[in-house]
Amino acid sequence: ILNVEQSPQSLHVQEGDSTNFTCSFPSSNFYALHWYRWETAKSPEALFVMTLNGDEKKKGRISATLNTKEGYSYLYIKGSQPEDSATYLCAFFATDSWGKFQFGAGTQVVVTP
Amino acid sequence: DGGITQSPKYLFRKEGQNVTLSCEQNLNHDAMYWYRQDPGQGLRLIYYSQIVNDFQKGDIAEGYSVSREKKESFPLTVTSAQKNPTAFYLCASSYQASPPKLFFGSGTQLSVL
Repeated sequence: ILNVEQSPQSLHVQEGDSTNFTCSFPSSNFYALHWYRWETAKSPEALFVMTLNGDEKKKGRISATLNTKEGYSYLYIKGSQPEDSATYLCAFFATDSWGKFQFGAGTQVVVTP
Repeated sequence: DGGITQSPKYLFRKEGQNVTLSCEQNLNHDAMYWYRQDPGQGLRLIYYSQIVNDFQKGDIAEGYSVSREKKESFPLTVTSAQKNPTAFYLCASSYQASPPKLFFGSGTQLSVL
C-alpha cells in the first residue's frame, strides 16, 4: 500500500483569507493525482485530474499545482468563502496498480464568516 | 438524474450476521468500486470491478464479498468474518478512462449492535 499524506489535517480560515494545503505521494510510478472535494452530507466530487509534472489547474477561486518529481501537490483557495468549507481529498494513481487509487486522509477546511 | 445510489444510509449489524449494502448507478459506467472510511484515515479500497461478472480484491477485501451480475449494480456483503465492520462505506463508479475519474455515492454508515 502506497503512502499518500495530506497536511494539515484541518484548517480554520477567516472569510476572505487565502489558504493552501499539501498532498504528498510517492514520486515513482506516477500516473495521476486527483483532488476531490467532500462537503458534509454530500458525495465527494472531483475537482481536478492532474497528470503532468508542472500541471496547474484552476476552477474559480480554487487552483492546484503538481510536482511529480518531488511527489507533492498543493491546493490553493483564494479569498475563502463559507461555501468552501469541506474536506479535500487527494488520490494517487500509480502506473502499476490500475483501479487502485490511494487516498490521503483529507484536509478539513472550515471557513468562518 | 444520473448518479449513484447507495442504500440504506444507516445500517446496523448484529454479531454473526451478514449484511448487504446496495450500490446502483445509471451513469453507464463500466467500473465500480467499494471504499471504506475510518476516522482519521484515507478511503481504503475493498473491491473493484471493471466489467460485468468480474471483480478484483482491493487492499482490505478480507471479510467482504461482492457480485457484479449487472452493469448497474455492485452490492457489497459484509460477512461475519469481518471483525471490525463499523465504518462508513462509499461506492464509486467510473468510465474506463485513463486515468478514471471517480463518481461517488452518498455512503452507508454501518454500525455493530
